[in-house]
Amino acid sequence: QKEVEQNSGPLSVPEGAIASLNCTYSDRGSQSFFWYRQYSGKSPELIMFIYSNGDKEDGRFTAQLNKASQYVSLLIRDSQPSDSATYLCAVNIPSGAGSYQLTFGKGTKLSVIP
Amino acid sequence: DTEVTQTPKHLVMGMTNKKSLKCEQHMGHRAMYWYKQKAKKPPELMFVYSYEKLSINESVPSRFSPECPNSSLLNLHLHALQPEDSALYLCASSQPPGWDRANTEAFFGQGTRLTVV
Repeated sequence: QKEVEQNSGPLSVPEGAIASLNCTYSDRGSQSFFWYRQYSGKSPELIMFIYSNGDKEDGRFTAQLNKASQYVSLLIRDSQPSDSATYLCAVNIPSGAGSYQLTFGKGTKLSVIP
Repeated sequence: DTEVTQTPKHLVMGMTNKKSLKCEQHMGHRAMYWYKQKAKKPPELMFVYSYEKLSINESVPSRFSPECPNSSLLNLHLHALQPEDSALYLCASSQPPGWDRANTEAFFGQGTRLTVV
């Protein structure tokens, strides 16, 4: 079964701390891994993408990918109250005949406490 | 420009109405998507168009009918909907996954909040 798994949270961290969000996926053929942030009532906003094993940093955000463990994570340094949102992990999973399907995890709700 | 534009932003329709949702992108993307999102749930894939051809239909009821007139436009025609179809309908676009492992980031429009009464 093609799945993307996330802890639903809520995850609460104090302002200034590091927030760590985790995601696992079941299909080893998956390529392209994304993190989206979604505020309540708004559409998902792409914040990070990663295609290769290792770390990718962009400002306060670091995405980490480990294909052997089928694991992708997002670290948010110096967390701010404005980071409070639901974070969706998304993976391009093979769906046959060379096609891929962008599949979302259920999302982790992050609360940054001032 | 990483913008995907959806219209209308809000739509209220009766169960006997016919309406259409529209989506437009000018990023040169050749894959476009319709997702449905209920409250506190992740987006659920409905349809994927790749190079203007329907490539994925996730067993969506026939009261939802997608159309891709050209590489920039995507429509979703609605007919005889049920109250349980009320949701946020999201359009997204990307380069087709598999075309290149990289550069396949999907960008979402702001969504259409649909209420069926």
